Amino acid sequence: AQTVTQSQPEMSVQEAETVTLSCTYDTSESDYYLFWYKQPPSRQMILVIRQEAYKQQNATENRFSVNFQKAAKSFSLKISDSQLGDAAMYFCAYRSSVVYNQGGKLIFGQGTELSVKP
Amino acid sequence: DAGVTQSPTHLIKTRGQHVTLRCSPISGHKSVSWYQQVLGQGPQFIFQYYEKEERGRGNFPDRFSARQFPNYSSELNVNALLLGDSALYLCASSTRGQYNSPLHFGNGTRLTVT
Repeated sequence: AQTVTQSQPEMSVQEAETVTLSCTYDTSESDYYLFWYKQPPSRQMILVIRQEAYKQQNATENRFSVNFQKAAKSFSLKISDSQLGDAAMYFCAYRSSVVYNQGGKLIFGQGTELSVKP
Repeated sequence: DAGVTQSPTHLIKTRGQHVTLRCSPISGHKSVSWYQQVLGQGPQFIFQYYEKEERGRGNFPDRFSARQFPNYSSELNVNALLLGDSALYLCASSTRGQYNSPLHFGNGTRLTVT
């Protein structure tokens, strides 16, 4: 079974600086998707960025980028020029592409609470 | 366009009772998934439905059931509530329910069991 681990329960960053959130996963599959979701106090899970495992190039979305190391099974999120609105819980998630009857389920990590200091 | 809507936003139930949570997907989305998020943890997959058929089930007891209606909305039912069922229940919809179809989440229903 696949697992996702986020070893940093809490992180803090100064406004305008850069922070990196860590995520490792375990799988025997070769094709899958990885995601970072943001969950602010409003509770809605918001997709930040996604990475397809077969793509070598790291995904980038404006101030958000990932460092995807497939062999090491590592998927970190870098937030540049941090803003107060970035403060939230961040979840790393895995999605298999192999078995249709898994229903495309997401497997989430425990989350990292990010605080941004003004 | 309206996003995924869930109702109610909050509710309080007593142990042993039954609860029904509701979810309306984004227009045009045919797949609905349910997740349970216990405080301080990541969401756990409960069910996925596509075209009114169950396509995936997580490791939850038979007290949990769900269904999807012809308009693609969905209900999650939990019987014989336990204190441990207290959680945020998230609904997510997608166009086809396949791995490359992005999930869009609602704001969740906060269930408290006393």
